[in-house]
Amino acid sequence: DSGVTQTPKHLITATGQRVTLRCSPRSGDLSVYWYQQSLDQGLQFLIQYYNGEERAKGNILERFSAQQFPDLHSELNLSSLELGDSALYFCASSTSTGVSSGANVLTFGAGSRLTVL
Amino acid sequence: AQKITQTQPGMFVQEKEAVTLDCTYDTSDPSYGLFWYKQPSSGEMIFLIYQGSYDQQNATEGRYSLNFQKARKSANLVISASQLGDSAMYFCAMRGTTSGTYKYIFGTGTRLKVLA
Repeated sequence: DSGVTQTPKHLITATGQRVTLRCSPRSGDLSVYWYQQSLDQGLQFLIQYYNGEERAKGNILERFSAQQFPDLHSELNLSSLELGDSALYFCASSTSTGVSSGANVLTFGAGSRLTVL
Repeated sequence: AQKITQTQPGMFVQEKEAVTLDCTYDTSDPSYGLFWYKQPSSGEMIFLIYQGSYDQQNATEGRYSLNFQKARKSANLVISASQLGDSAMYFCAMRGTTSGTYKYIFGTGTRLKVLA
């Protein structure tokens, strides 16, 4: 158990629908990162939050949005789903966001596997 | 721009042999970190090893070592005494700093198959 909790583990839905993926970071971690991994692909960075504030955006579609709540859990909202959105969505957390010492290893959750039919 | 390149889509290694997975990177940041992660077929991402850009010695963690050649901008993962359980996808990643925040980018991965 990495300490990063993601729910649901699996989700099957239809095109045009909306889903919410949830992430609880490791205790003490303030930064949350979301990544998308399509079949047999690498990890594409979507968005990062630090202590409730958005800090960086990657290749996140306008149909996708996210937020980090005061208790530091984060949600990724995917709307108007398309077949191509089928992927493994990872949440990862780390202790810091900026200049600091140490490795600041990204710790990943088990992922949420989304299938859009 | 920051970039990570893994040129080996797939590799085979005989059990108990050593294997090297290649990773090259590009960054203009003076301070950065390099990571390797393992993704077994079950899907989770498992952190293996870390190398800081200012670290003088190559990182080692058990059977894993990171061959860091700063001038060549390479950070190859060496797995010694391969085991069947090492069969997985391996990702190289780099931590850089953009606008005062850490950014992590990943390579496309190398699929390793250990043969009995």
